[in-house]
Amino acid sequence: AQSVTQLGSHVSVSEGALVLLRCNYSSSVPPYLFWYVQYPNQGLQLLLKYTTGATLVKGINGFEAEFKKSETSFHLTKPSAHMSDAAEYFCAVRVYYGGSQGNLIFGKGTKLSVKP
Amino acid sequence: ETGVTQSPTHLIKTRGQQVTLRCSSQSGHNTVSWYQQALGQGPQFIFQYYREEENGRGNFPPRFSGLQFPNYSSELNVNALELDDSALYLCASSLQGYQETQYFGPGTRLLVL
Repeated sequence: AQSVTQLGSHVSVSEGALVLLRCNYSSSVPPYLFWYVQYPNQGLQLLLKYTTGATLVKGINGFEAEFKKSETSFHLTKPSAHMSDAAEYFCAVRVYYGGSQGNLIFGKGTKLSVKP
Repeated sequence: ETGVTQSPTHLIKTRGQQVTLRCSSQSGHNTVSWYQQALGQGPQFIFQYYREEENGRGNFPPRFSGLQFPNYSSELNVNALELDDSALYLCASSLQGYQETQYFGPGTRLLVL
């Protein structure tokens, strides 16, 4: 069965510092992986996704993630944090069942705080 | 292009009541998925609709039911509300296909007293 583990429920960085949010997945089939961001009192916005092909995926707002099959990881990074990056971040894996699109299984989320 | 919209934004109900939440898909999208996000948790899959048929279901009891209409909008109905049903309910629309991205609405926050 597919699952997602996000290490660290809360990460705090200084403005301008590197952001690293960790995600490990479990999947019996080649995974499709996603990172979503949720701002307070809002829905989820897609940051980036990995389906097939290049393992380094670039997303919006300067974020990127690298799919590492050997480590079953899909960590999210950003070289320089901005105050506006403060939000909750969710890693998700697509679960597929025959004949349908499948659904997403989410991690519990990592809340990112950015200090001035 | 109109994004995914949900109504109402907030709702307060009492235990045992029934509630209906609504979702309008993004233009051109034919698949709707519903998720429940409890406080401090990640979203959990409730069910998915495609061409007005349920197309997959998570680990939720039958008192959670849904509909999809010909215009691809959707409803989530919850009967016999329980305190644990208090959560943010998220609707996501997409095209059908494994590589397609699900686009989320802002959610409906339900409080059951």
